[in-house]
Amino acid sequence: GNSVTQMEGPVTLSEEAFLTINCTYTATGYPSLFWYVQYPGEGLQLLLKATKADDKGSNKGFEATYRKETTSFHLEKGSVQVSDSAVYFCALSDRGSYIPTFGRGTSLIVHP
Amino acid sequence: DAMVIQNPRYQVTQFGKPVTLSCSQTLNHNVMYWYQQKSSQAPKLLFHYYDKDFNNEADTPDNFQSRRPNTSFCFLDIRSPGLGDAAMYLCATSRDRGPSADTQYFGPGTRLTVL
Repeated sequence: GNSVTQMEGPVTLSEEAFLTINCTYTATGYPSLFWYVQYPGEGLQLLLKATKADDKGSNKGFEATYRKETTSFHLEKGSVQVSDSAVYFCALSDRGSYIPTFGRGTSLIVHP
Repeated sequence: DAMVIQNPRYQVTQFGKPVTLSCSQTLNHNVMYWYQQKSSQAPKLLFHYYDKDFNNEADTPDNFQSRRPNTSFCFLDIRSPGLGDAAMYLCATSRDRGPSADTQYFGPGTRLTVL
């Protein structure tokens, strides 16, 4: 079956530090890949997505590249802000069912 | 703004007392989902509706039921809540099924406490 593995949190950084949150996946076939973000007290919202190998998704300074050879979709940001503090979920969508599979989420805490 | 709304945001019920959680959407999306999310875990899909077509996940307990009376509303009924059912329940929608419509839109969630 499909699965998504994320690095355990919390990840604690100072403002303006570089962020990497690792995500690897197992899937039969050729999935679409997503990062969702959940701010405190809110629902999940789509941050970025990629639908084929070597595609780069980007939004709000965050980037992730679909790496088929390493089955990875790591999230990066060059300079984090306090307002980026949230829980980040990596997910994949199987092209057969289009039902997403989520990772456990990684909490990011950014200090001023 | 078009959105996914969940009510209530916090629900307290007693062990064994039926409870209903509600979700509404103004996006006019065809697909609606219910997820259960426990602390530090991935959201777990319970079931979804494609229009009126109900799709139950194989490992969703019979204690969980759902109704979708129209496009806009979807309800989660827990017939006899146990202590293990305490969790955040997330409602989500997607425009359709297929590669061009696989982004999900989530509500803020309902946190259920079982006493």
